[in-house]
Amino acid sequence: EVQLVESGGGLVQPDRSLRLSCAASGFTFDDYAMHWVRQAPGKGLEWVSGITWNSGSIGYADSVKGRFTISRDNAKNSLYLQMNSLRAEDTALYYCAKDISTATTGTGNLDYWGQGTLVTVSS
Amino acid sequence: SSELTQDPAVSVALGQTVRITCQGDSLRSYYASWYQQKPGQAPVLVIYGENNRPSGIPDRFSGSSSGNTASLTITGAQAEDEADYYCNSRDSSGNHHYVFGTGTKVTVL
Repeated sequence: EVQLVESGGGLVQPDRSLRLSCAASGFTFDDYAMHWVRQAPGKGLEWVSGITWNSGSIGYADSVKGRFTISRDNAKNSLYLQMNSLRAEDTALYYCAKDISTATTGTGNLDYWGQGTLVTVSS
Repeated sequence: SSELTQDPAVSVALGQTVRITCQGDSLRSYYASWYQQKPGQAPVLVIYGENNRPSGIPDRFSGSSSGNTASLTITGAQAEDEADYYCNSRDSSGNHHYVFGTGTKVTVL
């Protein structure tokens, strides 16, 4: 059974940092691209960042580029999101999601999602 | 970056057919995927690629595309289909860059 479990969320002051983790199990982690998607309270989904299986290609939404860094440790079956210079508008539930395809570049089709970890940025 | 626009809300009578649309320039080049999200739950992939359903998704869900518009059709809507639906596509600005649509709330009457 595929499982994605996010952790690391919490209350943080503006301009501070936070690191999210996603522990994956039930599939061959290093075969798949992975993504972070967020959802602000009462709002829609926003793709945040994605990383290919070997970290060879990485992308970010314009809203987080230069502040967030995605990474993965295939030996630990884990995905990470380092979030720096946090702003109030980064307040959201952050989901870790698995790409459906083993294609080298990923597809953006997300077939498994975690339950999310809540990040609240407030003074 | 690209944008994907959806109607905010649609309603459908139980057992009838509803089409949800998603418009954006990137859809001229890339297929959309579609996600269903019920309150308090993580999204679920219902359609991806040209018209593919993941295992466990009922065949009343189907997808299509024409020009800059992608569509999700629910044929014979059930009460459990009431949810928010989001489209998603690769962004035309970058290889590993994606964007979600604005979302459509589907109400089953």
